[in-house]
Amino acid sequence: IQMTQSPSTLSASVGDRVTVTCRASQSISRWLAWYQQKPGKAPKLLIYETSRLESGVPSRFSGSGSGTEFTLTVSSLQPDDVATYYCQQHNSYSPYTFGQGTKLEIK
Amino acid sequence: EVQLVESGGGLVKPGGSLRLSCAASGFTFSTYNLNWVRQAPGKGLEWVSSISSTSTYIYYADSVKGRFTISRDDAKNSLYLQMNNLRAEDTAVYYCTRDPKLWGQGTLVTVSS
Repeated sequence: IQMTQSPSTLSASVGDRVTVTCRASQSISRWLAWYQQKPGKAPKLLIYETSRLESGVPSRFSGSGSGTEFTLTVSSLQPDDVATYYCQQHNSYSPYTFGQGTKLEIK
Repeated sequence: EVQLVESGGGLVKPGGSLRLSCAASGFTFSTYNLNWVRQAPGKGLEWVSSISSTSTYIYYADSVKGRFTISRDDAKNSLYLQMNNLRAEDTAVYYCTRDPKLWGQGTLVTVSS
């Protein structure tokens, strides 16, 4: 299963609503996770099973979608959200492939 | 504490071999599928290999197929990655993962002469 993220780079202003899209080459039902990674750090889980927010993650992050198309939304961009974001399909019966990443910057 | 701890990384010459280990604790190891993921310097996350709970299903990325072997020892709560015929492009931080919620801290593998 191939995962395709868009855009590869995103520049937005503090307070903006930001959306990242992830498409799967075939249906993965709801088995989609989103990670945030800052330079020199391990990936941090934000959302799993499409829309379940990991404990401790700010509520400005949300996920939606099903089947082959998924989105990560940041409702009000904060300076601390500057990072690279990855989607990953986590169907237990398939390899855990990743999207290529979206680098989020502040204008 | 629920955790995964990788070890075994280091510097190896091209064509060499290395065996990574991942020690698990705090959960019933034998009931989970497990994975190796890597990240080359400045690059994205790349899934490397997966093994099912019973070792029945094993998958490899095309980039490592035929060179890497994943295995597990449920008695030792450990996951392994035997890496042979290493190439410069295998240089990366290697992570052991159970599922999206549980990752190790990573171990660095550097392939260089």
